[in-house]
Amino acid sequence: AQSVTQLDSQVPVFEEAPVELRCNYSSSVSVYLFWYVQYPNQGLQLLLKYLSGSTLVKGINGFEAEFNKSQTSFHLRKPSVHISDTAEYFCAVSEAGGYNKLIFGAGTRLAVHP
Amino acid sequence: DTGVSQDPRHKITKRGQNVTFRCDPISEHNRLYWYRQTLGQGPEFLTYFQNEAQLEKSRLLSDRFSAERPKGSFSTLEIQRTEQGDSAMYLCASNMGGTEGIPSYEQYFGPGTRLTVT
Repeated sequence: AQSVTQLDSQVPVFEEAPVELRCNYSSSVSVYLFWYVQYPNQGLQLLLKYLSGSTLVKGINGFEAEFNKSQTSFHLRKPSVHISDTAEYFCAVSEAGGYNKLIFGAGTRLAVHP
Repeated sequence: DTGVSQDPRHKITKRGQNVTFRCDPISEHNRLYWYRQTLGQGPEFLTYFQNEAQLEKSRLLSDRFSAERPKGSFSTLEIQRTEQGDSAMYLCASNMGGTEGIPSYEQYFGPGTRLTVT
């Protein structure tokens, strides 16, 4: 079975500052890793995914994440945030080669202040 | 590609009533998933369909819950005798998997149905 821990429930940051949202996972098998964003009263939108290959993956809206197998982490970063990045961010895993059932973390609320 | 749609977007019901939600996946997607999201939590997996076959049900899906996907197209999720603990956002997602086409490992989510049980 897999599990996901998002270490920060809330992250306040000023506009144009860098941000890192932390995610650790646990699994006995190989996994795929995902970051989704959820704006108020909306569904989830994929930011980026790691399936294999390069451990640094780039996504939409200037976000990137790095897969670290030894530390079982998949932290999300952005060098300069905007007010519009204020949202809930979810890290998720699925079993590689399975049918892609997603296991989500509890989420991190990113609040960008002017 | 019009995306995943869900109906209704909001549902308020009294405890003990039955409710049914509908999900229309992206048309060529053969896999469909239901998740439940309570306030302040991440989505939790409920059930999964490949075409019309329901291949996995979570322990969260009690006997009061039933899901169908007739003809492998849209899906319905019914909750009988609703309880206040059923209040949540119910999310549907779809993707292409298996050997029927080029797999897409990401899931495409609908906007959700927010259920409030009073």
